[in-house]
Amino acid sequence: EDQVTQSPEALRLQEGESSSLNCSYTVSGLRGLFWYRQDPGKGPEFLFTLYSAGEEKEKERLKATLTKKESFLHITAPKPEDSATYLCAGRQGHSGYALNFGKGTSLLVTP
Amino acid sequence: SQTIHQWPATLVQPVGSPLSLECTVEGTSNPNLYWYRQAAGRGLQLLFYSVGIGQISSEVPQNLSASRPQDRQFILSSKKLLLSDSGFYLCAWNGQGGYEQYFGPGTRLTVT
Repeated sequence: EDQVTQSPEALRLQEGESSSLNCSYTVSGLRGLFWYRQDPGKGPEFLFTLYSAGEEKEKERLKATLTKKESFLHITAPKPEDSATYLCAGRQGHSGYALNFGKGTSLLVTP
Repeated sequence: SQTIHQWPATLVQPVGSPLSLECTVEGTSNPNLYWYRQAAGRGLQLLFYSVGIGQISSEVPQNLSASRPQDRQFILSSKKLLLSDSGFYLCAWNGQGGYEQYFGPGTRLTVT
């Protein structure tokens, strides 16, 4: 069964304290690994797509990496405005290429 | 540029009442369209997807239905709401050649 698991469920960091979020997946026919940011009461905002092991992408303080079985979202020197829920998803090779989401990691960055 | 709209933004409905949520995409043609539901403490659950007008596929057996009367319009409906239908409903699209999905602002549905 296709599954995407994110850890930890919640993470509290002090401003400037770097850390990583984990996404492990068992999605058959994976056609990409996606990261989204979701603020409370809003729709998810696209961050990154990774397609092959070893691939990395960066945006400001965020860097996403991919191995054969998991992905990491590294947050370097976070700021309070980075507080949000970060969602990971695998794209299936069926169901109209819909995304299979994990439950997310809720990140809180305190000043 | 492409934009996606959903309405209403919030909705409170009694059990047994009908439902109609609308999603419209602008600035693209022939998109794949998706309805997801996000319940408290759970991940996003795919409900329906559509690869073209009149083409609807259901992922989860339930009392909800979807329709795509126009290329860029996707509607989620129910004849009789259940308490378990409460949640945050999200519409998303991607282009025929693109893999990223882009989400609308969502509709918060509370069934009382």
